[in-house]
Order: sequence, then structure tokens, then C-alpha cells
Amino acid sequence: EAGVVQSPRYKIIEKKQPVAFWCNPISGHNTLYWYLQNLGQGPELLIRYENEEAVDDSQLPKDRFSAERLKGVDSTLKIQPAELGDSAVYLCASSRETGGTYEQYFGPGTRLTVT
Amino acid sequence: AQSVTQLGSHVSVSEGALVLLRCNYSSSVPPYLFWYVQYPNQGLQLLLKYTTGATLVKGINGFEAEFKKSETSFHLTKPSAHMSDAAEYFCAVRGSSNTGKLIFGQGTTLQVKP
Repeated sequence: EAGVVQSPRYKIIEKKQPVAFWCNPISGHNTLYWYLQNLGQGPELLIRYENEEAVDDSQLPKDRFSAERLKGVDSTLKIQPAELGDSAVYLCASSRETGGTYEQYFGPGTRLTVT
Repeated sequence: AQSVTQLGSHVSVSEGALVLLRCNYSSSVPPYLFWYVQYPNQGLQLLLKYTTGATLVKGINGFEAEFKKSETSFHLTKPSAHMSDAAEYFCAVRGSSNTGKLIFGQGTTLQVKP
């Protein structure tokens, strides 16, 4: 079974530029998460999707961040415009919230550097 | 609301020694508890989880953890450290009644000395 796929793995951009991250979850996983991980910190949830619906986006800075999950599979997280403080690792995770497994499987992350 | 505190941002042990990484949680509902490991430039890998049932749970790579409700703890242990265990370890909690959100601790870096 293939794991969660993320691209790109690394991205360097100048401040004020836009950037997008892509995530392909594990096949059959209906729930998808985007987490932000700052250096030396634990991940923090940005947004959670159940199928196509964003059911928890309370921590997403909506003035500059947006996300979508078309057809309930792949997802894209966008930042426009990027700020220096957005430099971090963006992790995507997926889970199958049925059958009581409750396990979230993480992708390798996208490391963003804003200069 | 849930929260997690990991005591000790850095833990150093000798190869073959006991590994003990501490995690205390706060939760207003019965918690589900997890330990994840993160190697450099990689995502998080699930080591073990507690949801219900037996309070001593065994995970991959020889790790285990015990859920102690009275102490609100979920410490991670391994009897004998290997060099390959050097990594960042994260404890996480989610409420059994909510839907999906994991709350992570700050992480503990495990160093294994030869």
C-alpha cells in the first residue's frame, strides 16, 4: 500500500510570492489533514477534511492560506502571499475514520523556506 | 480541550540502556493517546497507540507505553536502546468524542551514545 505522497519536498521562495503544496492521501482514506510544523515543535493542525468538506479550519490563517480537496481525494494547500514566518514544514496526513482505527498516516512533508 | 506535555526536550542514553520518554496529557474526555517517531527530513511514523482496553500497549521496534489514568501519563519505554532509535519522538492526544484532531507535545529528541 502506497503511503501519503506530498510534493514538492522542498521549496524556496521569496516573500510575497505564492506557493502551493500538493498531497495525495492513502487510497480509501476519507479524512485528510494539513499540519504545520515549526522547527523544534510538534505539528499543529491547519485544516481537516472529511471527504470534500472542510470540517475544521479554525486554525487556518484565511487571509493568506487556502486549501481545497476536490473529489475528496487529492488536496492542495496554498499560501498567497508568503511571509518570512511561513518558513516551516507542511505535513499532510490521512486516516480512515471508520472501524475504530483512528490512526493518522503522515507524508514526508514539504519544507518551505521563505527568503 | 486536550493538551500534552513532554518532559525533557532532549534525552541522552547509552546504547543498550533503558529508554524512558515522558508524556503527560490533559483531556476533558476519555483520551486516545499516540506516540510518533520522526527521523530527520521524514514524516511522522506511528509507534503505538492507546484507545481502549489493555493499558500496556506494545508498538514497533520494541517500544511500549502504559496508559495511567490516575497519573494522566503515557510514558514511552524501550528496554535496550539501539543507535537507530535516535530520532524525535512526539506524544499526541485526541479526544474519543471529537473528530480527528491530534494535539501534539513539543517533542523529545533522543540521542543514543555508543
